[in-house]
Order: sequence, then C-alpha cells, then structure tokens
Amino acid sequence: EAGVAQSPRYKIIEKRQSVAFWCNPISGHATLYWYQQILGQGPKLLIQFQNNGVVDDSQLPKDRFSAERLKGVDSTLKIQPAKLEDSAVYLCASSPLPVPVYEQYFGPGTRLTVT
Amino acid sequence: AQTVTQSQPEMSVQEAETVTLSCTYDTSESDYYLFWYKQPPSRQMILVIRQEAYKQQNATENRFSVNFQKAAKSFSLKISDSQLGDAAMYFCAYIGNSGYALNFGKGTSLLVTP
Repeated sequence: EAGVAQSPRYKIIEKRQSVAFWCNPISGHATLYWYQQILGQGPKLLIQFQNNGVVDDSQLPKDRFSAERLKGVDSTLKIQPAKLEDSAVYLCASSPLPVPVYEQYFGPGTRLTVT
Repeated sequence: AQTVTQSQPEMSVQEAETVTLSCTYDTSESDYYLFWYKQPPSRQMILVIRQEAYKQQNATENRFSVNFQKAAKSFSLKISDSQLGDAAMYFCAYIGNSGYALNFGKGTSLLVTP
C-alpha cells in the first residue's frame, strides 16, 4: 500500500513570495490533515478535511494560508505572502475516518525555509 | 484547552537497555486517547502505541509499553531492549473524544548508543 505522498520535499523562498504544497493521501482515506511543525515543537494542526469539506480550520492563519481538497482526494496548501515565521515542516496526514478511532498516517513532509 | 508536556528534551540509552520517556497532560475531559509517535530523522512520523483512557490496562506493543496513570495525568513510554533503530524524536499526543485534532508535546529526542 502506497503511503502519503507530499511534494516538494524542500522549498526555499523569500519573504512575501508565494508557495504551494501538494499532498496525495492513502487511497480511500476520507480524512486529510495539514500540520505545521516548527523546529523544536510538535506538529500543530492547520486544517482538517473530511472528503472535500473542512472540519476544522480554527488554527489556519486565513489571511495568508489557504487549502483545498478538490474531489476529496489530493490537497494543496498555499501560503501567500510568506513570512519568516512560516519556516517549518508542513506535514500531511490521512486516515480512513477521523481520529481518535482511526490511526493517522503521515507523509514525509515539506521543509519550507523563508529567507 | 488541553496541553501536553514532555519535560525531557533529550534522553540517551545504551543498546539493549531500557529507557522511559515522560509525558504529562492537562484535561478536564473524562474520555480521551493518548498516543506516542516516533519521528526518525528525515522520515515519516509513525504511531508507536495508543491508550484509551477508559481502559485500565496499560497498552503494550512488543518492546514498547506505557505506564498510564489517569489520576496523575501521566503517560510514560518504556522502551525495552533498546535498538539503534529506536533513535528518533518521540512525541506524546492527546485527543479528546469530542475533539478533532491531536495535541502534541514538544518531543523528546532519544539517542541510542552502541
């Protein structure tokens, strides 16, 4: 079974530029999560999708971050414009149905550096 | 709000020895789940073990076991017979039964020496 795929793996941009990350969850997984993991901290949930609907985006900085999951499969996370404090690893995870009953499977992450 | 605290930024253990990683949490909920996740360098985060709060019996998975003290709100991970492949960041996480998101601690970096 293929795991959660993310691209790119690494990205370096200057502040005020835009960037987009892509995630392909495990086939058949209805729930998709985007996390932000700042160096030295645990992951923090940015947004959770159930199929193509948003379940929780309370911690998503909506003035600069946006995410979509068209057709309930792949998802993209965009930052526009980026700030220095957005430097982090962005993790995508998926599960058959929401936690806590079901296990989340994580992708390898995208490491973003904003200079 | 629920908080998860891992008070050990770094731990070290020799191969074949046993190590215990600490985690405490704060919640007013009575029904919840606790997890330990492992994040090897530059690799995916994977689930090590989970514990349902309503279960009194401590969870075990091969060499990994937990000591769940509900009254003390403590959830420690014991790794027995440590192996070089156990070297990683370990995160403790919490989710309430009515919640959507995992709340993670800051992690403990485990070093395994030959």
